[in-house]
Amino acid sequence: DTAVSQTPKYLVTQMGNDKSIKCEQNLGHDTMYWYKQDSKKFLKIMFSYNNKELIINETVPNRFSPKSPDKAHLNLHINSLELGDSAVYFCASSQGPGQRGELFFGEGSRLTVL
Amino acid sequence: AQKVTQAQTEISVVEKEDVTLDCVYETRDTTYYLFWYKQPPSGELVFLIRRNSFDEQNEISGRYSWNFQKSTSSFNFTITASQVVDSAVYFCALNTGNQFYFGTGTSLTVIP
Repeated sequence: DTAVSQTPKYLVTQMGNDKSIKCEQNLGHDTMYWYKQDSKKFLKIMFSYNNKELIINETVPNRFSPKSPDKAHLNLHINSLELGDSAVYFCASSQGPGQRGELFFGEGSRLTVL
Repeated sequence: AQKVTQAQTEISVVEKEDVTLDCVYETRDTTYYLFWYKQPPSGELVFLIRRNSFDEQNEISGRYSWNFQKSTSSFNFTITASQVVDSAVYFCALNTGNQFYFGTGTSLTVIP
């Protein structure tokens, strides 16, 4: 079983469309994250949820909206896609604040906006 | 402020050479964790090692070794007798509190 799974793995869409990426972890972790990796490979934190509660919300356009229905799931919805949103989006999970465990990453979702 | 610096953007070595990837971190916290991750061309992020701030013992795992020095705020990673499969982007990361802070990565190319 995959520990952190994301779907879809690839997304190709037109500017202005709305898209979602889903993430699920079966590790029993309390904290989940969304990271964006741009073409230069920089990994940038976008959001973090602990037990369904938003704890990190970096400077991200409000077109990006995370949703955590339960602590095993963290989805990312993006409205009105722009060319600059093209990137690889990684979901990750960890044991939680104070536990200092490593991040477990999903395989990434490559978003291409045309 | 927390920060991780990987000054080496790209490194190329010939197979079987040793190579060291540098990582320097900044934090005022006394308790923190340091990590290395590998991102091969296939794109996934693979966890390599975790070190806490109270454990300065160096670690060796096969051809990989890590040198943690609090005095210089460094957590360097050495690959001995490099192989083509080591070609990847390597990230150093710092964890304090809720946040993980990643360096900008070092792209290692091992030439056969």
